[in-house]
Amino acid sequence: QAVLTQPSSLSASPGASASLTCTLRSGINVGTYRIYWYQQKPGSPPQYLLKYKSDSDKQQGSGVPSRFSGSKDASANAGILLISGLQSEDEADYYCMIWHSSAVVFGGGTRLTVL
Amino acid sequence: QLQLQESGPGLVKPSETLSLVCTVSGGSITSSSYYWGWIRQPPGKGLECIGIIYYNENTFYNPSLKSRVTISVDTSKNQFSLKLSSVTAADTAVYFCASLISIFGVIPPDYFDYWGQGTLVTVSS
Repeated sequence: QAVLTQPSSLSASPGASASLTCTLRSGINVGTYRIYWYQQKPGSPPQYLLKYKSDSDKQQGSGVPSRFSGSKDASANAGILLISGLQSEDEADYYCMIWHSSAVVFGGGTRLTVL
Repeated sequence: QLQLQESGPGLVKPSETLSLVCTVSGGSITSSSYYWGWIRQPPGKGLECIGIIYYNENTFYNPSLKSRVTISVDTSKNQFSLKLSSVTAADTAVYFCASLISIFGVIPPDYFDYWGQGTLVTVSS
C-alpha cells in the first residue's frame, strides 16, 4: 500500500470549490505530519502551493492566492487541499508530499479538470 | 533567485548507468539553507523523489532506489550529480533537480522551492 494515496482525477465547475484529498497509509498518523501541496501544469515543473500541519503551523506559498488552503481530516487520516472559486487556470495536476522514514514521499497526484 | 539546469544524455542503454548533472546559479550550493534533490516523473505518471543531498554530502535516498543511486555534490563547480545504475525501461522519465529548503540542514526539510525545467531520459537499446 502506498504511503500517500490521492484520487487520480476530480472534476468541478468554474466558481465551485474542489477538495483534493491525500490519504496516509494506515498506521501513519496524519496529525504528526506537515503536508505539502504542489501544482503542476503540462510541460512545467511542479510549483509549491502551501504546507499545512495545523491551524497554527501552516504557510501559504509566495504569490499563491488565498483561494488555496490546507486542512486535515483526522477521521479519514487525510490531508486536504481546498480550492475555492475555481478558475480555468486551476486545471492542473496536484501532488501532496510528506517527509516519512527519512525520505521525501509524493502522492500519486490528482488531475483536476475545471469544466 | 536560484536557477537550476539539468544536463546529461537523453538516451541510455539498458543495464548502463544514467548520469545527470544539475548546475546551480544565482546562489551557492554550499548554502546552509538548502538540500539539493533529484525527482523524476515517468511519462504520464506522478512524481518520485530519488534522493536529496546537503553540501556536506549528507544524503537521504528513496529506499526503493537506494541500491542503484549515488548523489554527489561538486562545490567547486556549484553542481550536484545523479548516477543511477543498471537502468531499465522503467527508469525512462523526466528528471528534475530542485532545491529543498532546510535551514542549517535540519531534518525534516521543508519544501522544494526552485526546480529545473527537467530533462527527458529514455532507456532504450
